[in-house]
Amino acid sequence: EPEVTQTPSHQVTQMGQEVILRCVPISNHLYFYWYRQILGQKVEFLVSFYNNEISEKSEIFDDQFSVERPDGSNFTLKIRSTKLEDSAMYFCASSGGRGNTGELFFGEGSRLTVL
Amino acid sequence: QKEVEQNSGPLSVPEGAIASLNCTYSDRGSQSFFWYRQYSGKSPELIMSIYSNGDKEDGRFTAQLNKASQYVSLLIRDSQPSDSATYLCAVNIISNFGNEKLTFGTGTRLTIIP
Repeated sequence: EPEVTQTPSHQVTQMGQEVILRCVPISNHLYFYWYRQILGQKVEFLVSFYNNEISEKSEIFDDQFSVERPDGSNFTLKIRSTKLEDSAMYFCASSGGRGNTGELFFGEGSRLTVL
Repeated sequence: QKEVEQNSGPLSVPEGAIASLNCTYSDRGSQSFFWYRQYSGKSPELIMSIYSNGDKEDGRFTAQLNKASQYVSLLIRDSQPSDSATYLCAVNIISNFGNEKLTFGTGTRLTIIP
């Protein structure tokens, strides 16, 4: 069964460093998303991406964050100058498109720990 | 702020009984509603979607939607210990720019007691 894959599964970084989280969405999906979940809190929307551009972003997704689809398969989230409060699980998700069910399928997540 | 509200629990249900999980949402324009299950330390897993008023059944799971009351629920029949997880209600909220974004509630932690 097709699935969303994410790497790395866990990354530890020093405050102020840049991190890149990578995702391979399900191959025929058109919409891509990043969500994050701080430990013990709810799953929060960060950004959605369609047709090689951001379609929606939350107030969390400020200039520290960026997304990119550098080739036909990968979808990346870059966090510049990480802060302690960026420590969270980051989930990538994909869906088939607006005209269909809108069901999102999530990867296993990348746990980011900022020290 | 357009929100999705859930009782955080914990909700304890004896094995074999019916577990009932509830969710309310604030955006009257929402058209798509989902229930995800999340085991501790894992990612959300889609278990049900519902788009029309009424009930939708899939195996032991039944989703119920009432758009007039802005209310979604999930019933789990014949509850099993493996159903112990956090259940996330998710609603497609229409943003100010006309885009949909899937917005999650805080989740209800369900424990099935053997």
